[in-house]
Amino acid sequence: EIVLTQSPGTLSLSPGERATLSCRASQSVSSSYLAWYQQKPGQAPRLLIYGASSRATGIPERFSGSGSGTDFTLTITRLEPEDFAVYYCQQYGSSPRTFGQGTKLEIK
Amino acid sequence: QVQLQQWGAGLLKPSETLSLTCAVYGGSFSGYYWSWIRQPPGKGLEWIGEINHSGSTNYSPSLKSRVTISVDTSKNQFSLKLSSVTAADTAVYYCARAPPTRYCSSTSCLMKGGYMDVWGKGTTVTVSS
Repeated sequence: EIVLTQSPGTLSLSPGERATLSCRASQSVSSSYLAWYQQKPGQAPRLLIYGASSRATGIPERFSGSGSGTDFTLTITRLEPEDFAVYYCQQYGSSPRTFGQGTKLEIK
Repeated sequence: QVQLQQWGAGLLKPSETLSLTCAVYGGSFSGYYWSWIRQPPGKGLEWIGEINHSGSTNYSPSLKSRVTISVDTSKNQFSLKLSSVTAADTAVYYCARAPPTRYCSSTSCLMKGGYMDVWGKGTTVTVSS
């Protein structure tokens, strides 16, 4: 199974700053089948990005995804207060689908 | 707007069978795959398996021997059963919708679920003696 490693584990930034989150796969993710989710405490995950770079319905333009092969990035250009949460990447290019361990984005 | 409403027993004893159901409201049932995902306390997400309206299933190999996912198209519902639970199965269990994704080999293509775009609110399941 593909292991996804997210870095950093915790990212401390201020509103208005730019956030760059990394997701590295143990083997190539076929067809760039990689998604990103945001999860706030006590809530279900919310889909942000699929296909490595396609924004889900209703997701603000400040969220963008990039990458291919084994290295993927989620970028949030100007952090809003509501963006502080845990972010997970997920690959669905091979079975079983797997998730990264998460990056916590906290207010500095 | 699609909504997923899930329910089931929240407290189980070791060796019992976990049983959860998820109802789909407000959207197409037949065009998607319907998934279960779990999250142990303070930990990350684990995909359990999925089913489509025809009853075609895919399971995580690590849980396959204990998992059954079924569908009731007359009610737009799908269900999860996990047998012989232990404390390690304590988690929040989510149901979710997965749009069909195309997977191709050199000789053929098939459709399965991929990413999950609509999620239920989650059900906390605790296994304790």
